[in-house]
Amino acid sequence: KNQVEQSPQSLIILEGKNCTLQCNYTVSPFSNLRWYKQDTGRGPVSLTIMTFSENTKSNGRYTATLDADTKQSSLHITASQLSDSASYICVVSGGWNDYKLSFGAGTTVTVRA
Amino acid sequence: GAVVSQHPSWVICKSGTSVKIECRSLDFQATTMFWYRQFPKQSLMLMATSNEGSKATYEQGVEKDKFLINHASLTLSTLTVTSAHPEDSSFYICSARVRVPSGIQETQYFGPGTRLLVL
Repeated sequence: KNQVEQSPQSLIILEGKNCTLQCNYTVSPFSNLRWYKQDTGRGPVSLTIMTFSENTKSNGRYTATLDADTKQSSLHITASQLSDSASYICVVSGGWNDYKLSFGAGTTVTVRA
Repeated sequence: GAVVSQHPSWVICKSGTSVKIECRSLDFQATTMFWYRQFPKQSLMLMATSNEGSKATYEQGVEKDKFLINHASLTLSTLTVTSAHPEDSSFYICSARVRVPSGIQETQYFGPGTRLLVL
């Protein structure tokens, strides 16, 4: 069974600090890995998308890394802001047609002033 | 990026009634739309996949007679929860997939979600 596991389940950080979220997956074959930000009561919004050949991708203060050999990814948030409080979901796409998405349970980030 | 809308954003209904949720791709044509359900503090769970003009494909464990999906056009899909019960209360999210040439682009865009509460 394809699985996507995220850690930690939740974390609290002070405004201005950095944090790193982890994602391990067993999806095979692998097409791409995405990180989404989901605000409470809203749909997911894409942050980054990476194929197996990409090691890192940035979107503003968000930087994602991917190690396709170990099947691990991370999302680094730099200089956190209160608006970064949300759930961050790792999503892995398997197969050639990018059809089926496997979702992680998400990491809930709370940024405090 | 592309925009996907959902209507209504939230709905409260009595047990036994039916509720229709609309999902629209506003600035692109979606070859395929997906419906997800999300319970509190859990990940999104795919319910069904719908292609324009054909019957939806339901995931295992999802009752097709209870969750009716209609994909009438390339920009509109509807999910009808029939004879809703309190256990159907959840956050329903749709996503729309746009046909793109080979290469990596964001191919699925999510709607803002619809909160359903069945009393």
